[in-house]
Amino acid sequence: GAVVSQHPSRVICKSGTSVKIECRSLDFQATTMFWYRQFPKKSLMLMATSNEGSKATYEQGVEKDKFLINHASLTLSTLTVTSAHPEDSSFYICSARDPQGARGNTEAFFGQGTRLTVV
Amino acid sequence: AQSVTQLGSHVSVSEGALVLLRCNYSSSVPPYLFWYVQYPNQGLQLLLKYTTGATLVKGINGFEAEFKKSETSFHLTKPSAHMSDAAEYFCAVSEGTSGTYKYIFGTGTRLKVLA
Repeated sequence: GAVVSQHPSRVICKSGTSVKIECRSLDFQATTMFWYRQFPKKSLMLMATSNEGSKATYEQGVEKDKFLINHASLTLSTLTVTSAHPEDSSFYICSARDPQGARGNTEAFFGQGTRLTVV
Repeated sequence: AQSVTQLGSHVSVSEGALVLLRCNYSSSVPPYLFWYVQYPNQGLQLLLKYTTGATLVKGINGFEAEFKKSETSFHLTKPSAHMSDAAEYFCAVSEGTSGTYKYIFGTGTRLKVLA
C-alpha cells in the first residue's frame, strides 16, 4: 500500500512550451501532496504544498505563476511548468501523505520522480 | 524552523568496512527523522525513520540509526558495506505530529564503496 506514482518519468520539451507532471496516490487518498525540486548533485528543495480543493502554498522564492499546481482530487496533483526554459531542467519529485494508513501519521510517500529537460 | 546538516558530501569506504553517515538537525518541536537512499535518476527509498520510542532504529539493508536528542544527531550506520550500497543518502526532518509533514532535507552524502 501507500504507492505514489509520477508521470512521466522523463520528458524533454522545447523552450517556451509548458509541461505537466502528474502525481497520483494509487491506493489512498491524499489531502496533502508536496512538490520538490532537485538540482543536479544537490538536495531536494520543497517547492510547494498542494492542498486538495484549495490553493497551493508556495515556498519562498518559488514563482507560483511559473510552477502551477492543481490538486483537483484526493488522488491527483499536477505541476505545470509554464513557458519552460533550460534553467527549469531538473528532477521533480512529489510526495503524499496517507492520513488513514498505518504509517500515515509518521511519513510521506515519494513518487519516483520526473526528469525534465528543456532544450 | 527546522534544518538538517549532513557532514561530508562524499564518503568512501572499502567493501566490508563500517559505514557512518552523519546527520545533525535542529527543530523547535519534537522531530521525526528519516534516512532515504537515492539511486541515479530514481526517487527516494526510505531506509529507516525515527518518530517516537526506541532511539535505535533498524532499517532495511542492514542500516540503523540512533536518535540522540542531546547531540541533535541521527547518524546512519551499517557494520559492513556492500558494493550495492553505493548511492546518495539523504537525511530529512519533519515536524512530526504538530506539523504538515513537509520534509526538510539535508544536502546529501554520496557513498562510494571501494572494492
